[in-house]
Amino acid sequence: EAGVVQSPRYKIIEKKQPVAFWCNPISGHNTLYWYLQNLGQGPELLIRYENEEAVDDSQLPKDRFSAERLKGVDSTLKIQPAELGDSAVYLCASSPGDSGNTIYFGEGSWLTVV
Amino acid sequence: GENVEQHPSTLSVQEGDSAVIKCTYSDSASNYFPWYKQELGKRPQLIIDIRSNVGEKKDQRIAVTLNKTAKHFSLHITETQPEDSAVYFCAASTGSSYKLIFGSGTRLLVRP
Repeated sequence: EAGVVQSPRYKIIEKKQPVAFWCNPISGHNTLYWYLQNLGQGPELLIRYENEEAVDDSQLPKDRFSAERLKGVDSTLKIQPAELGDSAVYLCASSPGDSGNTIYFGEGSWLTVV
Repeated sequence: GENVEQHPSTLSVQEGDSAVIKCTYSDSASNYFPWYKQELGKRPQLIIDIRSNVGEKKDQRIAVTLNKTAKHFSLHITETQPEDSAVYFCAASTGSSYKLIFGSGTRLLVRP
């Protein structure tokens, strides 16, 4: 079974530039998550989708971050403009959607803003 | 909202010894408690989980215990091996939120 696929794995950009990350969840998983992981810390939820609907985006900084999951499968997370403090790993994850089911993570997209 | 605290932040043990990592949570409605292992540069991977209707669960050298009254749960690794060296994260969620709140992680080093 293919896991959660993310791209790009690594991205270096200058501050104020835009950046986008793509995620393909495990086939059949209705729930998709974007997590932010700073160095040495645990992942923090940015947004959760149930199919196409963003059901929890309370932690997403909406002034510069946006996300979409148009057909209920793949998702993109965009930052515009990027700031130095956005340097982190952006983890995509998916789960079948039932309460308490295992959440499977992708390898992450490592962002460095210079 | 839920808050999860994890201790210790670093743990160094001799190969073959046991390792214990402890977490406390704040929301009494939390009912699902997974543990993830993350190697450097890799994805977090689930190693074991426990639900609130169970007090203990074991899988080979790994076990998790849950004390709902005290709102804490622990990861026990026996007969540690160098390949157990990684960062371990506990997490908690409630059935209604589907939202995992992670602890700050424990860096485990198993010395050969």
